[in-house]
Amino acid sequence: DAKTTQPPSMDCAEGRAANLPCNHSTISGNEYVYWYRQIHSQGPQYIIHGLKNNETNEMASLIITEDRKSSTLILPHATLRDTAVYYCIVRVRMGNTPLVFGKGTRLSVIA
Amino acid sequence: GAVVSQHPSRVICKSGTSVKIECRSLDFQATTMFWYRQFPKQSLMLMATSNEGSKATYEQGVEKDKFLINHASLTLSTLTVTSAHPEDSSFYICSARDPGQGALSGGYTFGSGTRLTVV
Repeated sequence: DAKTTQPPSMDCAEGRAANLPCNHSTISGNEYVYWYRQIHSQGPQYIIHGLKNNETNEMASLIITEDRKSSTLILPHATLRDTAVYYCIVRVRMGNTPLVFGKGTRLSVIA
Repeated sequence: GAVVSQHPSRVICKSGTSVKIECRSLDFQATTMFWYRQFPKQSLMLMATSNEGSKATYEQGVEKDKFLINHASLTLSTLTVTSAHPEDSSFYICSARDPGQGALSGGYTFGSGTRLTVV
């Protein structure tokens, strides 16, 4: 799995968009970008994933650069409940191997 | 969507005793489950991969005789911490692979975690 780099922490004002970057310069052609988050003392929660096109669901949007070397997770209107550690993971979609977590970004949404 | 139920959510035990943590896939069959450990302010660290009907595969540095994993059915995997010591105090999380939920959950669903405190 390709390595990812994320800033250790970010702050965001409540109601504003939170933009979380992830660098994955060694990503391979068959690897997807996954985002999970972990709210304090809970198990990780899936947010979104994509290959090369931008994706949007009810939780967030995922913007992947054309060269696929970086991506941004966007929470359009952050709330206090979005305070969590966000993990960007790059891996092939199929397969039975476990998810490997880096250090992630600790997002603090401030009132 | 796929749900993984993990119990107990919190347990306190005395040093030297054993503790069992259960992880159940409620609406799908999980041939493979994964166990993670998380210390305060750190990321999730994979401990072992559990395959139904076969022996678990442990990550380097994880004592297989101390952390017993049993995956006897397609919906249940258990982690038993034997002869627990204070340094085993941690947050333990299970995860199940559900390829059928790839579009909804990325194919991996996590339990809610178990906070183990050994006193």
